[in-house]
Amino acid sequence: DSGVTQTPKHLITATGQRVTLRCSPRSGDLSVYWYQQSLDQGLQFLIQYYNGEERAKGNILERFSAQQFPDLHSELNLSSLELGDSALYFCASSTMSMNTEAFFGQGTRLTVV
Amino acid sequence: GEDVEQSLFLSVREGDSSVINCTYTDSSSTYLYWYKQEPGAGLQLLTYIFSNMDMKQDQRLTVLLNKKDKHLSLRIADTQTGDSAIYFCAESRISGNTPLVFGKGTRLSVIA
Repeated sequence: DSGVTQTPKHLITATGQRVTLRCSPRSGDLSVYWYQQSLDQGLQFLIQYYNGEERAKGNILERFSAQQFPDLHSELNLSSLELGDSALYFCASSTMSMNTEAFFGQGTRLTVV
Repeated sequence: GEDVEQSLFLSVREGDSSVINCTYTDSSSTYLYWYKQEPGAGLQLLTYIFSNMDMKQDQRLTVLLNKKDKHLSLRIADTQTGDSAIYFCAESRISGNTPLVFGKGTRLSVIA
């Protein structure tokens, strides 16, 4: 158990809908990262938050957004969903803004039908 | 730019050694990692190596780094069926605001 908790584990939704994925980092970790894992693209970095502020942005679509709350949990919002958004979404956390060791959650499997 | 390459598949017999290779392009990479992903699970950090090291050993795992060739390898001694998984190589720079860049993963199959 990495200590990073993601909910829900599975999500099935229709095209055009909006979903929210939640991540609770390890106790004491200030940095949260979101990654998307799909078969064709591999693991793609989406966005990083550090202590409530956006720190780095990767290949995140404009339809996607995220935030980190004062209690350090984070949410990833995906809207106007398309079939191609179906993927495994991972959250990771680390103690510093520079991730020497990032610990991953079990992921949320999103299926868009 | 940042790019991490791995071969996609490796098959070994139980008890043999496995060697998973990775090349990267970013010469400013400071930390290089190996993660393991079992079916239906998240990524588990196996080990990492700092770029000023050539080798790191941790029980059955040996990491070799050739910084000149930007080549990283993970050797698993006495490979077991429980080692069957996807292994990801990843890099990061310590300069901050640099998330992990992953390879596409090597699927290791261990044949009993």
